[in-house]
Amino acid sequence: GNSVTQMEGPVTLSEEAFLTINCTYTATGYPSLFWYVQYPGEGLQLLLKATKADDKGSNKGFEATYRKETTSFHLEKGSVQVSDSAVYFCALTRGGADGLTFGKGTHLIIQP
Amino acid sequence: GAVVSQHPSWVICKSGTSVKIECRSLDFQATTMFWYRQFPKQSLMLMATSNEGSKATYEQGVEKDKFLINHASLTLSTLTVTSAHPEDSSFYICSAWDYLDEQYFGPGTRLTVT
Repeated sequence: GNSVTQMEGPVTLSEEAFLTINCTYTATGYPSLFWYVQYPGEGLQLLLKATKADDKGSNKGFEATYRKETTSFHLEKGSVQVSDSAVYFCALTRGGADGLTFGKGTHLIIQP
Repeated sequence: GAVVSQHPSWVICKSGTSVKIECRSLDFQATTMFWYRQFPKQSLMLMATSNEGSKATYEQGVEKDKFLINHASLTLSTLTVTSAHPEDSSFYICSAWDYLDEQYFGPGTRLTVT
């Protein structure tokens, strides 16, 4: 079956540091890949997505590239802010009306 | 962006009773909605896929007789936890699919069974 593995947290960084959160996946076919963010007390929000190999999703300074050869979709940001503190989930779907398979989530803490 | 609401946001019930959770897509029609369950400090696990006008499709290991799903309209799906027990205590999250390869999530419902 499908699965998503992402680095365990919490990850604690200082403001303006470089961020990488690793995500690898196992899936049949060509899934679509997503990063979702969950701020304290709020629902999941789509951060970015990529639907085919070599696509790069980007939003709010975050980027992730769909690497089929390494089955990875690592999340990066060049300079994090305190407001980026949240839980980040990597996820995949086969597309269409299929549910999402989530990683366990990475709690990111940014200190001023 | 599209908005999905859930009601209630938090519910406490006694063991053996049933509780209903509503999921609504407020500004778009959703033929398909999904129900997830999230344990503390853990990931979301897909419970079932809810299709308007037809029976829900449950994931392996999810008891369909315990978690009743009804998708009576294009904007409303309900999850009823029947004969709830403390081990059913969890955070239940719904999402609605907008036909454009994106799911919009509700804010979640925290169920506590005493």
